[in-house]
Amino acid sequence: DIVMTQSPDSLAVSLGERATINCKSSQTVLYSSNNRNYLAWFQQKPGQPPKLLIYWASTRESGVPDRFSGSGSGTDFTLTISSLQAEDVAVYYCQQYLGSPPTFGQGTKVEIK
Amino acid sequence: EVQLVESGGGLVKPGGSLRLSCAASGFTFSNAWMSWVRQVPGKGLEWVGRIKSKTDGGATDYAAPVKGRFTISRDDSKNTLYLQMNSLKNEDTGVYYCTTVQPTATQLFDHWGQGTLVTVSS
Repeated sequence: DIVMTQSPDSLAVSLGERATINCKSSQTVLYSSNNRNYLAWFQQKPGQPPKLLIYWASTRESGVPDRFSGSGSGTDFTLTISSLQAEDVAVYYCQQYLGSPPTFGQGTKVEIK
Repeated sequence: EVQLVESGGGLVKPGGSLRLSCAASGFTFSNAWMSWVRQVPGKGLEWVGRIKSKTDGGATDYAAPVKGRFTISRDDSKNTLYLQMNSLKNEDTGVYYCTTVQPTATQLFDHWGQGTLVTVSS
């Protein structure tokens, strides 16, 4: 199985400041045939299911604010929240969907400083 | 709007069985590939299994920890997805989510239900 490792496990950021979450996969999730990275990011707020934010490593899901952006390729990826808002307090997960089974990172909890 | 509503969770003893249901609306269920994902305390999110649409053959795939014990099925006439769980173990405890699978990436979960809690304990 492909192991997904996120860092840090938690971070506290001031309102309006940038938050950066890293995700590393144990094998590449770049599929050479189509040059796409099979990497997604989810947001989970307390008491709610995960919500898809970004897929193909950098494509925002419809309706997701543009302060959320994804980057990276191969085995190293980043989710950036450019200006943290109060409603962004949540746990964020990365997921690879190239290998089977699909696997998730352990999550990163984002709080307000 | 896509809606997925799970039901059927509860408390069950180790070795017991439970059947979860997921009522779907807001999209053409019969064309959709569907998955179950669980959230286990202390272990995070874990894919359980997937079922293809009948037009794509209707095949199922399962994660290793549940293979041989869990069965995913669908009733397209009722727009409902099922998860039959047998020989339950303590480590099957968690919140079970029904999800749709994005058509262009068959292991990407784009819509999630609210989840149903399964507790396996004596």
